[in-house]
Amino acid sequence: DAKTTQPNSMESNEEEPVHLPCNHSTISGTDYIHWYRQLPSQGPEYVIHGLTSNVNNRMASLAIAEDRKSSTLILHRATLRDAAVYYCILRGPHGSSNTGKLIFGQGTTLQVKP
Amino acid sequence: DVKVTQSSRYLVKRTGEKVFLECVQDMDHENMFWYRQDPGLGLRLIYFSYDVKMKEKGDIPEGYSVSREKKERFSLILESASTNQTSMYLCASSLCTAQLCGYTFGSGTRLTVV
Repeated sequence: DAKTTQPNSMESNEEEPVHLPCNHSTISGTDYIHWYRQLPSQGPEYVIHGLTSNVNNRMASLAIAEDRKSSTLILHRATLRDAAVYYCILRGPHGSSNTGKLIFGQGTTLQVKP
Repeated sequence: DVKVTQSSRYLVKRTGEKVFLECVQDMDHENMFWYRQDPGLGLRLIYFSYDVKMKEKGDIPEGYSVSREKKERFSLILESASTNQTSMYLCASSLCTAQLCGYTFGSGTRLTVV
């Protein structure tokens, strides 16, 4: 399975944008990039996913490099409730050997300062 | 609200006891998973199941077994609990399309083995 590399921790100020990077240099052409986050004392929750094009939803934006070897999760205005561990995960296409399995790395712990 | 419910939030068991951790989902999801989460090690996959009565080993299955007799219920069994199985246990279910595997996690069971 292709691996991802994320910084262990990042800090942000409240109301400012946050860019969370993820490197995945061994990504295959059919791997989807997923982002999940884990708030304190909770299980992880889905944030966003993409394949090649940049994606936006109500929680965040996902910017994917043209060569797909890296991606960036963008929180446009960080709030205190965004303090969490953010996981960048690759998943193969449906029907591949790792269908349905999400393998979590260490993630990035985001601190948001008031 | 869709839910994954874990039967206990906190559990204390003695070494050598047989321990059952129960997980129920109400979303009719095919896939169910058991992870454990430890400081510095992240989330590690123990077992997963793609269908009733089917199970597959994850990355750390030793010392554990699972049961999936009904689609909505996935049980994790510690045959003889040991202190190194003290951990946070997270259950999840998912529905996968070609693009997205949407995971829903339970709130976790913090198991202490004394």
